[in-house]
Amino acid sequence: DGGITQSPKYLFRKEGQNVTLSCEQNLNHDAMYWYRQDPGQGLRLIYYSQIVNDFQKGDIAEGYSVSREKKESFPLTVTSAQKNPTAFYLCASSETGGAYEQYFGPGTRLTVT
Amino acid sequence: KQEVTQIPAALSVPEGENLVLNCSFTDSAIYNLQWFRQDPGKGLTSLLLIQSSQREQTSGRLNASLDKSSGRSTLYIAASQPGDSATYLCAVSMDSNYQLIWGAGTKLIIKP
Repeated sequence: DGGITQSPKYLFRKEGQNVTLSCEQNLNHDAMYWYRQDPGQGLRLIYYSQIVNDFQKGDIAEGYSVSREKKESFPLTVTSAQKNPTAFYLCASSETGGAYEQYFGPGTRLTVT
Repeated sequence: KQEVTQIPAALSVPEGENLVLNCSFTDSAIYNLQWFRQDPGKGLTSLLLIQSSQREQTSGRLNASLDKSSGRSTLYIAASQPGDSATYLCAVSMDSNYQLIWGAGTKLIIKP
């Protein structure tokens, strides 16, 4: 089965702790993306990567970091510098650029208290 | 700066009705437009992708139209069913490598 997996589905952390969200795809896609979704708002792009070992900041990169050491993996770290980290995080991939059909994972809901 | 708007934010209709969801954008120079579906607490599923040169795309009971000059797209759902209840989001891209710009979505409830 081809697709995107995100783990865990729910994540709870104390304020001040870094946390890493996992995203893996077996679609052989070059491009991968991390979005944040808050109630009543559209998706906001955090980081994206169009090729291994390269990534770019999106609209709201502050307080987040990523790596792209393997084509199939694009983990997101939410650092303690992110002022309001509680949100629903979605990972996506596409064949090349963002204009191509994007495939989404099931999401990770992060709650920081 | 491109902005994407979806009105209304929520819509409730009886089962069996045909309905239209709206998406408007401020800059008509788009590369393509995509419609997605999101079930509560889940990821997004791509429904239809319309290239800027196309006027419409169809998939089953869904038909998406695009009018670039007026900055509008509509998603038509025929013979609605309770299983169509979800949030529908549209997103536009400005060129082949540009990232998607998202609307906030329309939450659709189909009443049995």
